[in-house]
Order: sequence, then structure tokens, then C-alpha cells
Amino acid sequence: EVQLLESGGGLVQPGGSLRLSCAAPGFTLSNYAMGWVRQPPGKGLEWVSVISGSGDRTFYADPVKGRFTISRDQSKNTLYLQMNSLRAEDTALYYCAKGKGGSPYDVLDTWGQGTMVVVSS
Amino acid sequence: DIVMTQSPDSLAVSLGERATINCKSSQGVLYSSNNENYLAWYQQKPGQPPKLLIYWASIRESGVPDRFSGSGSGTDFTLTISSLQAEDVAVYYCQQYYNIPFTFGPGTKVDI
Repeated sequence: EVQLLESGGGLVQPGGSLRLSCAAPGFTLSNYAMGWVRQPPGKGLEWVSVISGSGDRTFYADPVKGRFTISRDQSKNTLYLQMNSLRAEDTALYYCAKGKGGSPYDVLDTWGQGTMVVVSS
Repeated sequence: DIVMTQSPDSLAVSLGERATINCKSSQGVLYSSNNENYLAWYQQKPGQPPKLLIYWASIRESGVPDRFSGSGSGTDFTLTISSLQAEDVAVYYCQQYYNIPFTFGPGTKVDI
């Protein structure tokens, strides 16, 4: 069964950093594109970032470009989102999601339960 | 960025009746090289992550009931629930994956 298990969320002060993790038991993460999507409390979905299955292409939404970095560790079969210079508007539930194929230009077919990030002083 | 709009914002449908949700993109999402529309539909129930229903505008994801169908091409798309069931109460989102950033529509809330 394909599962995605996010962790690493929490309360952080503005300007601080967090690293989100997404473990993928049950499938080989590097065979697929992987992405992050966030949802502020009570609001809609916002695409954040994607990494190709080969790992050689990464893309970001403008609001996080230069502050967030998507990466993965093949040995741990885990996806990461390093978030720096956090702002109040980054407060959201962050979902990890798996692409249907290796191309970043593909639909997200499996989603984790999400990990909550709150940026507040 | 491609802007996705959805209509209506919300709708209430009787059990067994048809529900129709529209999605419009600010530019076309049909890729001429493979003749595919890079458009997906997701369902999100309260307290749950989104669930993929439809991709390539009209392909039903495995395990999704056949009362859900997607149609449209270019810039105009529709999600239809042919006979609404109680478990279909949710917010429905369209998303384009044609251009970075892969934008979502604002969502349509479906109630009984």
C-alpha cells in the first residue's frame, strides 16, 4: 500500500526555519515526482514545490522561491522541504504528495495526512 | 501564472440528483504534442487530505465510482456527479499541471 507519512511541523517564530519530512514506506520514492502542497487554515489548496523522479529538476511557487528547498534522500526513501525565513503567511497544513509518474508535469495521485506549520511570535 | 476559476462557489443537491461543477483556466492547458489536457479534479472531505478523482481532464482514477466524470478541453472543464450520494459531501478542486506553478481553483463546496 502506498503511504506518505509527513512530520516536522510545529510552531516557529517569524524568520525561523523548519524541515519537513515525508517518509514513503511501500514504494520507491525516486521512481516518482514528489511534491508539496499547503492549505492555510480554512482556505484552499496552494501548490508549493515539486521534484522530478530523477531528482534533477525542482520547481517552486513564487511566494517560497529562494526560501524553501525541496530534496530527497534515496537511502532513507524520504522527501524533505527545508523552509527558511518563515513568515506568518506560511502558516498552513503542508501535504506531501506523490506524482503518478516521474515527470514533474504530472498529477498528484497519493497524498499524506499533512503536517501543520504555525509561524507566530 | 494560470488562474483557475470555479463555479459555483457552493451548491446543494438532493440525494440521487446530478451535481455539476465548472472550472475555467485563464489559458489553455491542452498540450498539442500528446493531445492531453493537464487538468485534474480532487475531492476533499473535512479533516482529510485531497483525493484524486480525475486526471487528464476525463480519466477516472482507479477506485473512483463511475458516477464521477470529467469533461472539457482547452480552457473549460466540468466535473459531474451523476447521482449524488451522502458520502460525496466535500469540497472539489480543479488543478492545472500544464505550467509551473501548478495552480488550483478556489474550490466548490457540495452539500446535500
